[in-house]
Amino acid sequence: DTGVSQDPRHKITKRGQNVTFRCDPISEHNRLYWYRQTLGQGPEFLTYFQNEAQLEKSRLLSDRFSAERPKGSFSTLEIQRTEQGDSAMYLCASSDSGRAGNEQFFGPGTRLTVL
Amino acid sequence: AQSVTQLDSQVPVFEEAPVELRCNYSSSVSVYLFWYVQYPNQGLQLLLKYLSGSTLVESINGFEAEFNKSQTSFHLRKPSVHISDTAEYFCAVSEDAGNMLTFGGGTRLMVKP
Repeated sequence: DTGVSQDPRHKITKRGQNVTFRCDPISEHNRLYWYRQTLGQGPEFLTYFQNEAQLEKSRLLSDRFSAERPKGSFSTLEIQRTEQGDSAMYLCASSDSGRAGNEQFFGPGTRLTVL
Repeated sequence: AQSVTQLDSQVPVFEEAPVELRCNYSSSVSVYLFWYVQYPNQGLQLLLKYLSGSTLVESINGFEAEFNKSQTSFHLRKPSVHISDTAEYFCAVSEDAGNMLTFGGGTRLMVKP
């Protein structure tokens, strides 16, 4: 169990560019979550997958955001035409729905800065 | 819709003093409650959770929290804090143990020598 990993850890981009983040969950976990955390705030839910199926999306997830988990393992989160308001820490978490309590384990996050 | 309020954004306290971090939630259904801790430059870690059963739950490092349904609260307490407890603490609620978490704004615990 190597924990949840995210890549890259930091991303600086110019407004209007597209960015893609990757999350590798704990290997036996079937659920994968994306959250966004802005400075001084708690994380906000964006979307989650059970295996490869995207089961829920927040209203925060505008049309410029898309997430995939094609083989039920790693996931990508893409932001198109980035805006300065997209600057935040993007957190990934995973869990095993078969375990009591279904604890979510968080990765270190990807910090996005949009100039 | 569920929501979480952490009433204190910062709590300064001297080492070995007791501390309470407050958390109130609102939900129309039964909930599951969590406290996560985020140490400087690290990811979120689960500190403790309430799913069912005893309303008092404890962590391995001396923290405890009590679920109070009538007051819709889940306050976090520690009788004697250490410098190493300095971190950001987040209260979170879920209406389904496997579903999305709704977090409060966080409380920064600052332990001073």
